[in-house]
Amino acid sequence: AQTVTQSQPEMSVQEAETVTLSCTYDTSENNYYLFWYKQPPSRQMILVIRQEAYKQQNATENRFSVNFQKAAKSFSLKISDSQLGDTAMYFCAFMPLNNDMRFGAGTRLTVKP
Amino acid sequence: GAVVSQHPSRVICKSGTSVKIECRSLDFQATTMFWYRQFPKQSLMLMATSNEGSKATYEQGVEKDKFLINHASLTLSTLTVTSAHPEDSSFYICSARDPMIGKLFFGSGTQLSVL
Repeated sequence: AQTVTQSQPEMSVQEAETVTLSCTYDTSENNYYLFWYKQPPSRQMILVIRQEAYKQQNATENRFSVNFQKAAKSFSLKISDSQLGDTAMYFCAFMPLNNDMRFGAGTRLTVKP
Repeated sequence: GAVVSQHPSRVICKSGTSVKIECRSLDFQATTMFWYRQFPKQSLMLMATSNEGSKATYEQGVEKDKFLINHASLTLSTLTVTSAHPEDSSFYICSARDPMIGKLFFGSGTQLSVL
């Protein structure tokens, strides 16, 4: 069974600063996908970034980047130049190829003005 | 715009009644859809995998007779909460996989409140 662990229930960061959210996972699969989703108060799941396990290069989407360490099964999210609109729940997710998606417990991020 | 439509967004019902939630893929055919449940301040928990034309696969601890899933077409999956009770009150979210691009898209969720 695959598990996803987010060890930080809550985080806060000052506006314009950088914050890193941690995620580790456990799997015996070699090929899979990893994701970070943002869930604002509307509760709509918004894809932040996606990483294919077979790609060594870390994914980047504007202010969002990941540090993917396959051997360590670690997948952290770095948010640069934090904005007030980044305040939300962030979920790390794992998905084997053509299979279902499993989520971590989530990290509540608050960006302070 | 949304590629997965979930309806209704909010429903309030009396205890003992049944409620149906629909999940539609709007511009792709989804052979597989997933149903999640989310309690307040908690994560999304997978309830079942819905496969078009076959029986759904339920996660351990999820009552299949309680949560009926039908995936009769390539664009529609429904979740029916039968004989709902207050403990069934939760936020239910569906997702659908676009097999052509391998991506998963989420519906906007349904808040079920059972009185």
